[in-house]
Amino acid sequence: EAGVAQSPRYKIIEKRQSVAFWCNPISGHATLYWYQQILGQGPKLLIQFQNNGVVDDSQLPKDRFSAERLKGVDSTLKIQPAKLEDSAVYLCASSSATTSGSRYTQYFGPGTRLTVL
Amino acid sequence: AQKVTQAQTEISVVEKEDVTLDCVYETRDTTYYLFWYKQPPSGELVFLIRRNSFDEQNEISGRYSWNFQKSTSSFNFTITASQVVDSAVYFCALRIYNFNKFYFGSGTKLNVKP
Repeated sequence: EAGVAQSPRYKIIEKRQSVAFWCNPISGHATLYWYQQILGQGPKLLIQFQNNGVVDDSQLPKDRFSAERLKGVDSTLKIQPAKLEDSAVYLCASSSATTSGSRYTQYFGPGTRLTVL
Repeated sequence: AQKVTQAQTEISVVEKEDVTLDCVYETRDTTYYLFWYKQPPSGELVFLIRRNSFDEQNEISGRYSWNFQKSTSSFNFTITASQVVDSAVYFCALRIYNFNKFYFGSGTKLNVKP
């Protein structure tokens, strides 16, 4: 079974530029999460989707961050404009809503390392 | 409110030593899940184990073992005979049964030296 896919793996931009990240969850996984992980810290949830609806975006800086999950599969996270403090690893994770047991587990992608100069 | 505390920021051991990573959690809910994830230098969080709040049996998987104690709200992780490949950041996480949201600790960086 293929894991969670993310691209790009690395991105370097200058402040005030825009950037977008893409995530493809594990097939059949209804729930998708975007996390921000700043160096030396644990993952911080930015937004959570259940199918194509938003469940929790309370920690998403909505003035500059946006995310969508069209058709309940792939998702994109965008930052516009980027700030220096947005430098972090952006992790995508998914979990199943249909398989008992494992549905309570999140599986993570490799992440996108963003550097804002 | 839910909270996960990993008090050990960084641990260094010499290969073949045993090491225990501590995790203390807080929740008022009676049904919840606890997790450990490993994050190697490559960056991906790798799922290691999930335990539910009704199952306090300790679990062993090869060199890994987990000790879950509800009385002390702890879910500690022990690596026996550590190896250099165990070097990574380890995260403990909590999920409440009725909410599909995870609470992560700040992680413990384990350095295993040859």
